[in-house]
Amino acid sequence: QQPVQSPQAVILREGEDAVINCSSSKALYSVHWYRQKHGEAPVFLMILLKGGEQKGHEKISASFNEKKQQSSLYLTASQLSYSGTYFCGTRGGSQGNLIFGKGTKLSVKP
Amino acid sequence: DGGITQSPKYLFRKEGQNVTLSCEQNLNHDAMYWYRQDPGQGLRLIYYSQIVNDFQKGDIAEGYSVSREKKESFPLTVTSAQKNPTAFYLCASSLSASSYNEQFFGPGTRLTVL
Repeated sequence: QQPVQSPQAVILREGEDAVINCSSSKALYSVHWYRQKHGEAPVFLMILLKGGEQKGHEKISASFNEKKQQSSLYLTASQLSYSGTYFCGTRGGSQGNLIFGKGTKLSVKP
Repeated sequence: DGGITQSPKYLFRKEGQNVTLSCEQNLNHDAMYWYRQDPGQGLRLIYYSQIVNDFQKGDIAEGYSVSREKKESFPLTVTSAQKNPTAFYLCASSLSASSYNEQFFGPGTRLTVL
């Protein structure tokens, strides 16, 4: 089942913070986060696994609440380069397919 | 440089014609994936392959076919049975299908059926 992302879109000024949420109606084993700029390939940001293990870019911060079946991506002191659409992908087990949300479009203005 | 290449970047076809999208990776990854992206819909899985000579249907496989004869190549054929083929197609690969491995995406092919 497709995870739900919120908000659908957000506009920030440079230096402002944002939180993007990803919620599932099913139990989650892992959550993946990707960013896609218009017309380009999605780029990996972070993986969060059940049990607390994380893998990803040092400057990216995220959380995974297994009980609530939710993950949040924290973007602090935003830069113009943060603009793009952020996707979460979820898995219910250690194997299996990623199911992606519809995305959150982030626009950072000068 | 290691990475994933997709060709062509833009593709135009007439309705009723089959078309094959290329995907090649030199990352030595076992797993490869094809996604379809429509505006506002996120990425939807068409087919995936965990190993050479093996592949499985994803959520929207109808009207598509794939092959995995070589580790580095995973071509996707969009057949005339696909009712609405106009979309942005993304190929991806990962070291394995494990949850611990991130997916690396190619630049995509934008297919327009006239």
